[in-house]
Amino acid sequence: NAGVTQTPKFRILKIGQSMTLQCTQDMNHNYMYWYRQDPGMGLKLIYYSVGAGITDKGEVPNGYNVSRSTTEDFPLRLELAAPSQTSVYFCASSLPIAGGTDTQYFGPGTRLTVL
Amino acid sequence: KQEVTQIPAALSVPEGENLVLNCSFTDSAIYNLQWFRQDPGKGLTSLLLIQSSQREQTSGRLNASLDKSSGRSTLYIAASQPGDSATYLCAVNDNQGGKLIFGQGTELSVKP
Repeated sequence: NAGVTQTPKFRILKIGQSMTLQCTQDMNHNYMYWYRQDPGMGLKLIYYSVGAGITDKGEVPNGYNVSRSTTEDFPLRLELAAPSQTSVYFCASSLPIAGGTDTQYFGPGTRLTVL
Repeated sequence: KQEVTQIPAALSVPEGENLVLNCSFTDSAIYNLQWFRQDPGKGLTSLLLIQSSQREQTSGRLNASLDKSSGRSTLYIAASQPGDSATYLCAVNDNQGGKLIFGQGTELSVKP
């Protein structure tokens, strides 16, 4: 199993440009998540999905959009990039279990700089 | 609103020492708590997951405890090694959607 894969690893955008961060998992996990991590900080949830066709906002959703057409893929879209979106983005997945969810598995991250 | 705090922010110890990392959370109504390790420039690796009904979990030299009533968890690392140097993050799952709320992390440095 490759686990959770993310592309690209690095990207530099100009203000106002758009891009899509790709995330794929091969573990047949129902739940998928997008987090961002700013320097010296913990992770904050942007969006999450509990299954294909179902998405919901996390703590910091403004400026982002997601879709979930398959179990495997959960792309994150930035429509009009702003310097405040400079961050490292992590995708994660997990299985639901009774009373919550199981361990979350993380991808290697995408380091995004907006200039 | 759930808040997770980790103290200290950074810790430096000589090789071989036993050490404890602390994590506190404000709302005791949680499903589980996870400890992660993050190496510089890398993603997160899950170390231990403690369900709300459990008091502790062990994996090798790592032992994590959970005290829901006081809103605290500790990660105990025995006989530390330079390879343990990394940032350690705790995260709380307090909802059925699996959304994790992270602390800011403790950066651990183990000196040879």
